[in-house]
Amino acid sequence: DSGVTQTPKHLITATGQRVTLRCSPRSGDLSVYWYQQSLDQGLQFLIQYYNGEERAKGNILERFSAQQFPDLHSELNLSSLELGDSALYFCASSRTSGNNEQFFGPGTRLTVL
Amino acid sequence: DQQVKQNSPSLSVQEGRISILNCDYTNSMFDYFLWYKKYPAEGPTFLISISSIKDKNEDGRFTVFLNKSAKHLSLHIVPSQPGDSAVYFCAAAQVGGGADGLTFGKGTHLIIQP
Repeated sequence: DSGVTQTPKHLITATGQRVTLRCSPRSGDLSVYWYQQSLDQGLQFLIQYYNGEERAKGNILERFSAQQFPDLHSELNLSSLELGDSALYFCASSRTSGNNEQFFGPGTRLTVL
Repeated sequence: DQQVKQNSPSLSVQEGRISILNCDYTNSMFDYFLWYKKYPAEGPTFLISISSIKDKNEDGRFTVFLNKSAKHLSLHIVPSQPGDSAVYFCAAAQVGGGADGLTFGKGTHLIIQP
């Protein structure tokens, strides 16, 4: 158990819809990262938040957005969903911004029908 | 354009022997490398890391070797145990480069044969 929690575990929705994935980092960790794992692309970095502020962006689509709240939990919002958005979404956390030993949650499996 | 490559999708090793997993990278700005292990239906678990100022880091049965000139790293597991059967991901980062997200390879599925 990494100490990172993600909800929900599974999510099934339809094209065009919007969903929100939630992540609680390990106690004391200030950075939260979001990754997408699809079958053909492997694990892709989407976005990082540090202490409530956006720190870095990776391959995140404009239809996707995230935020980190004062209690340090984070939400990833996915809108106008397409079939290709079906994937595993992982959240990871680390103690500081520059610490790259990231600890991953169990993931949310999103299926878009 | 894959910046981190794990060219062996799978590897089968006998229990008790050495497992060697390989990883190549193309971005010379990477200066921190990590290995993660992943079981089905779980998130990746951090195993071991190495900074580019070192060429070896050891933690119990796990040793990571870094060859900067060849842009190559490897993970050695000795001795291999049945519980080591999992997918292993190599990851790289540019510390202080303004983007702290990890760049992952596509993974190697290690199978330990009894």
